[in-house]
This record gives sequence, structure tokens and C-alpha cells, in this order.
Amino acid sequence: EAGVVQSPRYKIIEKKQPVAFWCNPISGHNTLYWYLQNLGQGPELLIRYENEEAVDDSQLPKDRFSAERLKGVDSTLKIQPAELGDSAVYLCASSLGLAGEQFFGPGTRLTVL
Amino acid sequence: AQKITQTQPGMFVQEKEAVTLDCTYDTSDQSYGLFWYKQPSSGEMIFLIYQGSYDEQNATEGRYSLNFQKARKSANLVISASQLGDSAMYFCAMREVGTSYGKLTFGQGTILTVHP
Repeated sequence: EAGVVQSPRYKIIEKKQPVAFWCNPISGHNTLYWYLQNLGQGPELLIRYENEEAVDDSQLPKDRFSAERLKGVDSTLKIQPAELGDSAVYLCASSLGLAGEQFFGPGTRLTVL
Repeated sequence: AQKITQTQPGMFVQEKEAVTLDCTYDTSDQSYGLFWYKQPSSGEMIFLIYQGSYDEQNATEGRYSLNFQKARKSANLVISASQLGDSAMYFCAMREVGTSYGKLTFGQGTILTVHP
């Protein structure tokens, strides 16, 4: 069974540029999470989806971050414009329902110059 | 707000020895879940073990066991017979209830180094 797929694995951009990350969850997992992990820290939840509905986006900086999960399967997280402080690893996870174990993807490491 | 504290930034252990990674938590909820994840240098988060707040027995998964002391609000991970491949960052996490059910709150992590 394929795990959570994320792309790209690495991204280097200049500040003020837009960037997008893609996540494909494990087949059948209706719950999808985007986490932000700063260097040397634990992940922090940005947004959680139940199917195509964002049910917890309280930690998402909505002035520059946006996310979508149009068909309730794969998801895209966008930053526009990127700032130096956005350099981090962006992790996607999925689970079968809220009580299910969360399986994480390999993450996208973003560097903003 | 829920909080997870891991007070050991780094730990060292000799191969084949046991090691305990500390985790304390703070919550006013009666029902919650506690998790441990391993994050190797490659970056992926690997689920290790889970303990429910109402579970009376300490969770065990192979070489991993969770020393759950509810009154002390601690959930320490014990790795027996350490292997070189155990060298990684380890995170303790709590699953929230209520409107944020499903959200994991992570601690700061502990870097474990296993020496041959």
C-alpha cells in the first residue's frame, strides 16, 4: 500500500515568490492534515480537512497561506508571497477518521532566500 | 490549552542498552490519547506507540513500551535493546478532544544517539 505522497521534496525560492505543495493521502483516508515543522521543533497543525471541508484552520495564516482539497482526495497548500520566516518543513498526514492513526508523508523542505 | 513537554534535548545510549525518553503533558480533558513518533534524518514521521487515557495497561509494541503514569501526567517511552537504527529524533504528542479532535500537539523532541 502506498503511503502519503508529497511533492516536491525540496523547494528553494526567493522571498515574495509564490510556492505550492502537493499531497496525496493514503487511499481511503478521508482526513488530511497539513503541519508546519520549524527546525528543531515539533510539527504544528496548520489545517485539517474532513473530506473536502476544512474543519480546523485556526492556525493557518490566512493573509498569505491558502489550502484546498477540491475532490476530497489530494490537497494543495499555497504560500503567496513567501517570507524568509516561512522556511521550514511542511508535512502532510492522513488518517481514517479523526480517531485513526495519522500517517505522515516525507515532507517538503522549503527554503526562502 | 494542551501542552507537551520533553525536557531532554538529547540522549545517548550504548547499543543493546535500554533508554527512557521523558514526556509530560498538561490537559484538563479526561479523555485523550498519547503518541510517540520517530523522525529519522530522512524526515518522515514514523508512528511508534499509542496510549489511551483510559487504558489500564501500559502500551507495548515490540521493543517500545510506554510508561504511563496518569497521576503524574507522564508518558515516557522506553526503548529496550537499543539498535544503531534507533538514532533519530523522537516526538511525544497528544491528540486533542472537543472541537479540535484529531489535532496532534507535539513536544519539542529528543534527539537519541545510539553508540556502538
